[in-house]
Amino acid sequence: AQSVTQLGSHVSVSEGALVLLRCNYSSSVPPYLFWYVQYPNQGLQLLLKYTSAATLVKGINDFEAEFKKSETSFHLTKPSAHMSDAAEYFCAVSKAAGTYKYIFGTGTRLKVLA
Amino acid sequence: EAGVTQFPSHSVIEKGQTVTLRCDPISGHDNLYWYRRVMGKEIKFLLHFVKESKQDESGMPNNRFLAERTGGTYSTLKVQPAELEDSGVYFCASSRQGEADTQYFGPGTRLTVL
Repeated sequence: AQSVTQLGSHVSVSEGALVLLRCNYSSSVPPYLFWYVQYPNQGLQLLLKYTSAATLVKGINDFEAEFKKSETSFHLTKPSAHMSDAAEYFCAVSKAAGTYKYIFGTGTRLKVLA
Repeated sequence: EAGVTQFPSHSVIEKGQTVTLRCDPISGHDNLYWYRRVMGKEIKFLLHFVKESKQDESGMPNNRFLAERTGGTYSTLKVQPAELEDSGVYFCASSRQGEADTQYFGPGTRLTVL
């Protein structure tokens, strides 16, 4: 069975500091992995996805994530936090090859301090 | 193009009442999904339509929940009768046929059952 663990339900960083949001997954088959962001009163927006191509995936707003099979991780990073990055971030996994069902982590709420 | 829309944005009902949530997917998206997030928990898959057919409804909690997608366009999710544990945010997502790995989410409907 697939599952996703996001360490830290709340993360605070200073503006300009590195953002690191952790995601570990378990999957019996090569997974597809996703990071979504939800800003207040908006839907989930896709930040980036890994679908078995390059292990370092670049997304929108300077976010990137690295798929590490040996560590079963897909951590999200951004070199320099902006105030506008304050939101809730969700990691999700689905199976490879045409599946549709996402398994989500519990979410990490990012706070950016001035 | 317009995104996924959901109506209403908020609904407050009493236990035992009926509520119907509506989702309008992105035009041309054959795949439509419903998810639910109970407060503090992860976002959980409820069901998946391909056009008007239910592809997978394994996540539906019980028979008080009924989803329809007549004509393969918009979808409704009816809860009858509503219970306290049905409170949460209901998300709808859609994707193109053949691109089921990337789902586009609506803003959600926040349901509160008193």
